[in-house]
Amino acid sequence: DVKVTQSSRYLVKRTGEKVFLECVQDMDHENMFWYRQDPGLGLRLIYFSYDVKMKEKGDIPEGYSVSREKKERFSLILESASTNQTSMYLCASSFGVENSPLHFGNGTRLTVT
Amino acid sequence: AQSVAQPEDQVNVAEGNPLTVKCTYSVSGNPYLFWYVQYPNRGLQFLLKYITGDNLVKGSYGFEAEFNKSQTSFHLKKPSALVSDSALYFCAVRPSFSGNTPLVFGKGTRLSVIA
Repeated sequence: DVKVTQSSRYLVKRTGEKVFLECVQDMDHENMFWYRQDPGLGLRLIYFSYDVKMKEKGDIPEGYSVSREKKERFSLILESASTNQTSMYLCASSFGVENSPLHFGNGTRLTVT
Repeated sequence: AQSVAQPEDQVNVAEGNPLTVKCTYSVSGNPYLFWYVQYPNRGLQFLLKYITGDNLVKGSYGFEAEFNKSQTSFHLKKPSALVSDSALYFCAVRPSFSGNTPLVFGKGTRLSVIA
């Protein structure tokens, strides 16, 4: 079974802090994604990556950056956390085939106070 | 640009009754369509997908979905609902042969199956 592991289930951070969310997959997937999930808004894509050291902006990249130094790891960085970044963050991965389904981690619920 | 609409925020069904969760899409060309389910405090799990061929697609846990090109719909169905089917369901789409275009998700439909 594919495993996508997000390092934290719950995080509480203060406004202005730099926050790192880590995601690791064990299936040698080429593609990795970061989404945020908010009630009534569904899933919104923040950033994605199709290869090591490559990144593409999604629909809502402002206030975020990413890093993919190794194929299995994709990090989401909040440069200066703000209260409107309080959300559920979901990492996903997939093979580099167009119809390949996404495999999701269990999510990190981030609260910024 | 592609888009997905899930017109119902909430669907309530009695246990044992058939269920339908609706999804319509907009995409240039032919679509790849997906359904995912999210149980409480979990990530999304893949249920089924449509790529090409037979319009009726069968997936996990007894779910199926019917692709209707003329109505641009991909409704999720199950003949007999279980209480354990209660969850949040997401439809997603991307154009076929679109390279690295990521999936676009609907806003989700919460299914509640009542015993």
